[in-house]
Amino acid sequence: GQNIDQPTEMTATEGAIVQINCTYQTSGFNGLFWYQQHAGEAPTFLSYNVLDGLEEKGRFSSFLSRSKGYSYLLLKELQMKDSASYLCAVTDSNYQLIWGAGTKLIIKP
Amino acid sequence: GAVVSQHPSWVICKSGTSVKIECRSLDFQATTMFWYRQFPKQSLMLMATSNEGSKATYEQGVEKDKFLINHASLTLSTLTVTSAHPEDSSFYICSARVDRDYNEQFFGPGTRLTVL
Repeated sequence: GQNIDQPTEMTATEGAIVQINCTYQTSGFNGLFWYQQHAGEAPTFLSYNVLDGLEEKGRFSSFLSRSKGYSYLLLKELQMKDSASYLCAVTDSNYQLIWGAGTKLIIKP
Repeated sequence: GAVVSQHPSWVICKSGTSVKIECRSLDFQATTMFWYRQFPKQSLMLMATSNEGSKATYEQGVEKDKFLINHASLTLSTLTVTSAHPEDSSFYICSARVDRDYNEQFFGPGTRLTVL
């Protein structure tokens, strides 16, 4: 079956750095997305990786290793507004988007 | 660009009534639209995938006769919850996709449905 694993919850301190991991086992791979979702709101796009390596966008970076079925989202200089759920999603060989359960990130002052 | 709207943003209805939710891509044509449901503190659950001009593909366990999906144009899809019951109360989110090869989904703001 297809599976995406990410931690259920993480806690970090304002101003610090946090890395959210995502591992996947899917039938084929056509890209990996990270979305941010605040409580009661719809997801918003953060990043997209289809080739191995690191993609940097401001305070957020996303890394992909296709051979390991692994990605991480790195958030730097954490702010209170970064408290949200972070969803990892993989496009499989049928171009279906397979969603992880999300990681709830709690930022403490 | 790539804005998706949903209407209504919230709705309260009586048990047994039907509710229609609209999803529109405002500034692009969406060949495919998706409908999700999300219960509190749970992840997104894909309900169905709809392609313009064809029947929707429902996920396992989703009753197609209860959740009617119409994708009549490249910018509009509707979800009708028929004979709603309290257990249908949830956050319904639509998304739209332009390009299958890229597969980014642009999400609407969601509709919170409460069935009394």
